[in-house]
Amino acid sequence: NAGVTQTPKFQVLKTGQSMTLQCAQDMNHEYMSWYRQDPGMGLRLIHYSVGAGITDQGEVPNGYNVSRSTTEDFPLRLLSAAPSQTSVYFCASGYTGGVSNQPQHFGDGTRLSIL
Amino acid sequence: DAKTTQPPSMDCAEGRAANLPCNHSTISGNEYVYWYRQIHSQGPQYIIHGLKNNETNEMASLIITEDRKSSTLILPHATLRDTAVYYCISRGGGKLIFGQGTELSVKP
Repeated sequence: NAGVTQTPKFQVLKTGQSMTLQCAQDMNHEYMSWYRQDPGMGLRLIHYSVGAGITDQGEVPNGYNVSRSTTEDFPLRLLSAAPSQTSVYFCASGYTGGVSNQPQHFGDGTRLSIL
Repeated sequence: DAKTTQPPSMDCAEGRAANLPCNHSTISGNEYVYWYRQIHSQGPQYIIHGLKNNETNEMASLIITEDRKSSTLILPHATLRDTAVYYCISRGGGKLIFGQGTELSVKP
């Protein structure tokens, strides 16, 4: 069981470039989400999804797009990277519905630097 | 989801119990209390969660007050490897909203 897998682990971009951060889970979780964490701060929710074909915005959605075409994958897209998006990005997955109280699982993160 | 309040930092001597408090005075009846920790810049690690009753697992114990307005995470015998940021989160399904957490330093 791989859990939540994020790729790449590190990435450097130039301002204006586009990129997709990948997140995959093999636990058949309906719920998936993306967070960003800036130095010395807690995690902030970017976007989340409660199932294939359904996405919604979190606390800091601007500059990011998501889609959920399968249960397993939840990619995060930066269409035109900006230095303010330099951060560590975490993906998480969990259950919904009657067992939504079960804990969510996090990936190891993608460290993104934008020059 | 209710807002939680935690002290920004705490120290604990190695081998002693670490008691980390959390205030969630606006918690609603169906919201659980979750504890996660983050070591260095790794992904958050789940520790324990509860609704009304006290809970214990191999990592920690969770004590929830009768009125559910606060809780305490207890690491019974803290080790240097328990040095981390600990997050208390109240959640009624779906989104986890993180606060600033408590930075626990376990000292020899």
